[in-house]
Amino acid sequence: NAGVTQTPKFQVLKTGQSMTLQCAQDMNHEYMSWYRQDPGMGLRLIHYSVGAGITDQGEVPNGYNVSRSTTEDFPLRLLSAAPSQTSVYFCASRTDRGTDTQYFGPGTRLTVL
Amino acid sequence: RKEVEQDPGPFNVPEGATVAFNCTYSNSASQSFFWYRQDCRKEPKLLMSVYSSGNEDGRFTAQLNRASQYISLLIRDSKLSDSATYLCVVRPTGGFKTIFGAGTRLFVKA
Repeated sequence: NAGVTQTPKFQVLKTGQSMTLQCAQDMNHEYMSWYRQDPGMGLRLIHYSVGAGITDQGEVPNGYNVSRSTTEDFPLRLLSAAPSQTSVYFCASRTDRGTDTQYFGPGTRLTVL
Repeated sequence: RKEVEQDPGPFNVPEGATVAFNCTYSNSASQSFFWYRQDCRKEPKLLMSVYSSGNEDGRFTAQLNRASQYISLLIRDSKLSDSATYLCVVRPTGGFKTIFGAGTRLFVKA
């Protein structure tokens, strides 16, 4: 199993550009999430999905869109990049059991100039 | 008040030392508790789940105090390789969301 994979690993954007961060998992997990991590602030939930076709907003959803057309894939779209979106983005997945752990992808380091 | 609070540290300890981290959470309906470890510029990885009766995994011991709403992690005989950030993680009962503390930074020195 590859686990949770993310691409790209690094990305530099100019203000106003759009892009999609890719996330895929091969563990047949129902739950998938996107987090951003900024210094001193911990992981903050952007969007999440409890199954194919079902998504919802997390703590900091503004400026981001998601979709979940398959169990495996959960892409995150930045609509119009802003310097405030400079961060490290992690995708995670887990089963629907409340006691189960989350598995994280290796992260995407995004810089917006 | 943050939902999960941790002392950010850093904790600087010599090899062989015992170090303890505490974490408090605000939602009394929380169901599941974890400690994650995050190395610099890497993804968080599960260190251990925390059970009501307390649990141990080698040099690591986790405790849960539901009445006081805190979780602790004890590391005995610290190794250089234990240097990392330790994240306290809480999941409310019946909820999807997982709440992460901001982490406690540990440096173990030779």
